[in-house]
Amino acid sequence: ELKVEQNPLFLSMQEGKNYTIYCNYSTTSDRLYWYRQDPGKSLESLFVLLSNGAVKQEGRLMASLDTKARLSTLHITAAVHDLSATYFCAVDRGAQKLVFGQGTRLTINP
Amino acid sequence: KAGVTQTPRYLIKTRGQQVTLSCSPISGHRSVSWYQQTPGQGLQFLFEYFSETQRNKGNFPGRFSGRQFSNSRSEMNVSTLELGDSALYLCASSWSTVVETQYFGPGTRLLVL
Repeated sequence: ELKVEQNPLFLSMQEGKNYTIYCNYSTTSDRLYWYRQDPGKSLESLFVLLSNGAVKQEGRLMASLDTKARLSTLHITAAVHDLSATYFCAVDRGAQKLVFGQGTRLTINP
Repeated sequence: KAGVTQTPRYLIKTRGQQVTLSCSPISGHRSVSWYQQTPGQGLQFLFEYFSETQRNKGNFPGRFSGRQFSNSRSEMNVSTLELGDSALYLCASSWSTVVETQYFGPGTRLLVL
């Protein structure tokens, strides 16, 4: 059974700081997704990582994938308050079935 | 282009009742997936439909069912509701079986009393 684990689950940080969210998964997969969810809202797609070594960046967020280590990271650079949200990674088990991590609730304080 | 829409947005039911939720995918998308989100269990896959056929199903009891119509719109039904069915139900659509991003709708928040 595929398991996807994120850490940390809760992260409180100050504006301007850098930090990394980790996503480990238990079985081989070449496809990993990152989503953002604001309170009471739906999921917003951030990144799709489709191969080993893939790196994608959008603004202050950068995601990478190491399929050999079964690890993805979401790096936040010079955090701003608007990035406060819950971040989920998800691994594709085929036929559009995603297995999600528990989510990382990120709070960025001024 | 309009996004994924779900109706209703909020629903209150009592135990033992049944409920039907609706999802309209992004125009041209043929794959529709359903997920349940609860504080305790997180996001869990329910099922996925493509071209009116269920291709994949998660580990949920038979009380949870769904279908997809020829216009790709999808419905899910939960019969004999239990308190534990209270959740946010999310629908996601994508073009096809090709690996790609799923686009999520706003969700239907179901409360079972």
